[in-house]
Amino acid sequence: NAGVTQTPKFRILKIGQSMTLQCTQDMNHNYMYWYRQDPGMGLKLIYYSVGAGITDKGEVPNGYNVSRSTTEDFPLRLELAAPSQTSVYFCASSYSRGGAGEETQYFGPGTRLLVL
Amino acid sequence: QQPVQSPQAVILREGEDAVINCSSSKALYSVHWYRQKHGEAPVFLMILLKGGEQKGHEKISASFNEKKQQSSLYLTASQLSYSGTYFCGTYGAGSYQLTFGKGTKLSVIP
Repeated sequence: NAGVTQTPKFRILKIGQSMTLQCTQDMNHNYMYWYRQDPGMGLKLIYYSVGAGITDKGEVPNGYNVSRSTTEDFPLRLELAAPSQTSVYFCASSYSRGGAGEETQYFGPGTRLLVL
Repeated sequence: QQPVQSPQAVILREGEDAVINCSSSKALYSVHWYRQKHGEAPVFLMILLKGGEQKGHEKISASFNEKKQQSSLYLTASQLSYSGTYFCGTYGAGSYQLTFGKGTKLSVIP
């Protein structure tokens, strides 16, 4: 199993540009998450999904959109890039039969985004 | 609310012990611990559930005080490989969101 994969690894965007960060997992996990990590701030949840077709906002959703049409894929869309979106983005997944709090989250390697 | 971790940073010599604390102002269902090395993704260490069940690492121990909404991670006989930033994450009852603390940077030196 490859686990959780993310592309690209690194990207530079100009202000106002758009892009999609890709995330794929091959563990048949039902839950998937997007986090951003800024220096010294820990990880902040952007969006999450509990299954195909079901998504919800996390703590910092403004400026982002998600969709989940399959169990495996959970892309994150930035519509109008701003310097405040410069960060490292991590996708994660977990399998939960019931409560989300009981299961390990497996993280992808991250995407480093720089908005200039 | 974001859980509060202490200390923010600690330097140990190989073989020394360390304790990292995590506290929350809200009622918790579970506490998760992760370690992240520089430039890498966070890696799971342990889950502590309300009621006392633990899942995770054999060589690292932790506690969860449900009444005080606090958890502590115990690193004994530290090795160079223990260096990294340790994050606690908390789930409230019925929540789907893991809320992470700001992290504790642990440096183990020879």
